Amino acid sequence: QVQLQESGPGLVKPSETLSLTCSVSNYSISSGYYWGWIRQPPEKGLEWIGSIYHSGTTYHNPSFKSRVTMSVDTSKNHLSLMLRSVTAADTAVYYCARAAYSFGDGYYFDFWGQGTLVTVSS
Amino acid sequence: SYELTQPRSVSVSPGQTARITCSGDGLSRKHAYWYQQKTRQAPVLVIYEATERPSGIPERFSGSTSGTMATLTISGAQVEDEADYSCYSTDSSGNHWVFGGGTRLTVL
Repeated sequence: QVQLQESGPGLVKPSETLSLTCSVSNYSISSGYYWGWIRQPPEKGLEWIGSIYHSGTTYHNPSFKSRVTMSVDTSKNHLSLMLRSVTAADTAVYYCARAAYSFGDGYYFDFWGQGTLVTVSS
Repeated sequence: SYELTQPRSVSVSPGQTARITCSGDGLSRKHAYWYQQKTRQAPVLVIYEATERPSGIPERFSGSTSGTMATLTISGAQVEDEADYSCYSTDSSGNHWVFGGGTRLTVL
């Protein structure tokens, strides 16, 4: 089955850019599906950041839109997230996940990576 | 913005039925999805399209909807079911994908 693995720096300084990669195995990104980024601050709930199709089409959470860039590299079969101007409030476990489609409902996440903790601190 | 509201915590004894609710205006038109998240683990889909169980999810997990409220029911909850449960849905436009705040289920 499809597997996802997030990677990136575990520590980012305030005002800098958080950059993460999600490597996908056992499924070719270019074959379809949207792919999403979700985060979870310590002791808080899940928060959707945005989702991207292999063509580059995106959906964004308005709360992040001005700070987020998502991209897909089909040659490497991975997706990337950049979050600019981070603050301590961006400290969270960041997940990538595959978004399946349900007619009438839209998209939902069926397979998730294990997540990676990113701490924003000087 | 679209919101889904869940109770912060639910507690049951082993063998009892646990019910976790999720309310949102859009749930009368779109299904809820439910995720289980055990400590320091990634979320796992336990219910999709309001009532369907993915392969490998025990039969004691079930979902239902009434009006604008979705309910995840765990019949005969077990200690291993202790986890955070989050509901999920999208808004009417399909452009905003939303999680509920999560419910901590204690089975003790």
